[in-house]
Amino acid sequence: DAEITQSPRHKITETGRQVTLACHQTWNHNNMFWYRQDLGHGLRLIHYSYGVQDTNKGEVSDGYSVSRSNTEDLPLTLESAASSQTSVYFCASSEVRGTNGEQFFGPGTRLTVL
Amino acid sequence: GDSVTQMEGPVTLSEEAFLTINCTYTATGYPSLFWYVQYPGEGLQLLLKATKADDKGSNKGFEATYRKETTSFHLEKGSVQVSDSAVYFCALKAAGNKLTFGGGTRVLVKP
Repeated sequence: DAEITQSPRHKITETGRQVTLACHQTWNHNNMFWYRQDLGHGLRLIHYSYGVQDTNKGEVSDGYSVSRSNTEDLPLTLESAASSQTSVYFCASSEVRGTNGEQFFGPGTRLTVL
Repeated sequence: GDSVTQMEGPVTLSEEAFLTINCTYTATGYPSLFWYVQYPGEGLQLLLKATKADDKGSNKGFEATYRKETTSFHLEKGSVQVSDSAVYFCALKAAGNKLTFGGGTRVLVKP
């Protein structure tokens, strides 16, 4: 069965370190997204991609970067982790460009920055 | 810009009670509307959706009707079960393929 996976599921790191969160989907979807989930804020979009070599900033992109070298993967990098980036991160993918495409979510990565 | 407002929780109910979670939105154009559910320790999964005015989405006993005149998409279930305890997110998708989420509503159903 097709799926979307994230790794690691839990990560503890220190302020200033570079961290990369992995997202891998086997749906062969063109669209991929990264969100962060914080109490009181729901889910907020960090970065998204509509295909290989395409990346776009979301509403909370500062301090994060992504790259899309193939269809299956969209790794999220925190260049220099900050305590404000402690959060739960979700990756999602979808097939259809337009208003009707359902997004499929991964299980999430809980990141703690000390 | 686009925005979604949903009632704050937590909402605590007894089993077999009626559940309503209010959701209103602001968007340009004609968005599609979604309800996602997040069970403890899991990612979000689509519960139901509606793509145009007056459409009713339904799944697992939950229903929501796309009301353009009131810009609302309220979620309802007639008789909740303990297994419905989760966080529920209302979301919209306008132009492009990005979702805008509400803040989420935690629902706790007690036996």
